[in-house]
Amino acid sequence: ETGVTQTPRHLVMGMTNKKSLKCEQHLGHNAMYWYKQSAKKPLELMFVYNFKEQTENNSVPSRFSPECPNSSHLFLHLHTLQPEDSALYLCASMDLTNEKLFFGSGTQLSVL
Amino acid sequence: KNEVEQSPQNLTAQEGEFITINCSYSVGISALHWLQQHPGGGIVSLFMLSSGKKKHGRLIATINIQEKHSSLHITASHPRDSAVYICAGPRSYNTDKLIFGTGTRLQVFP
Repeated sequence: ETGVTQTPRHLVMGMTNKKSLKCEQHLGHNAMYWYKQSAKKPLELMFVYNFKEQTENNSVPSRFSPECPNSSHLFLHLHTLQPEDSALYLCASMDLTNEKLFFGSGTQLSVL
Repeated sequence: KNEVEQSPQNLTAQEGEFITINCSYSVGISALHWLQQHPGGGIVSLFMLSSGKKKHGRLIATINIQEKHSSLHITASHPRDSAVYICAGPRSYNTDKLIFGTGTRLQVFP
């Protein structure tokens, strides 16, 4: 248990659906991240939030929309996804004082 | 070519063997993370180091910033060490935006 909780663990959605991924940490970390992990590819950084402000959007399509209402919660809103968006989506938080990274268990997303 | 390269991509070992996984990077990384990913996706941070060597139990990580190279060693390997090991570093100094290697898949057989 890393202290970073992601829900749901698995998600199957159609291309016209709207869904949201949730990430929660009560570790007191002020940096939170969304990563995408596709098969046979390195983890890709999607979004970075520092102190609730988005500081990085790594050229992510607008069908992915992040939201950080407070420093403990991070959402990834999904709409009109494509089958190639099927991947493992990982949330992480970092203790910026020592740069130690904590990951959630991920949401395995399948887009049909 | 990925900016962070790991070798080997796949590694099998017999229980008890000494394991070495290598990470080379082409960008100016100030520190390097070693991560462990078990089947099912969960990722655990093992080390973050910027110089020298760190040890935690049977795991040892070393880094040479000048040569842009890091190694992860596992002594007396055990089947529960079977996982994907990933190295990652920040794209530049003073940044938390990481670049990841493709990972090394390790299987340790009893």
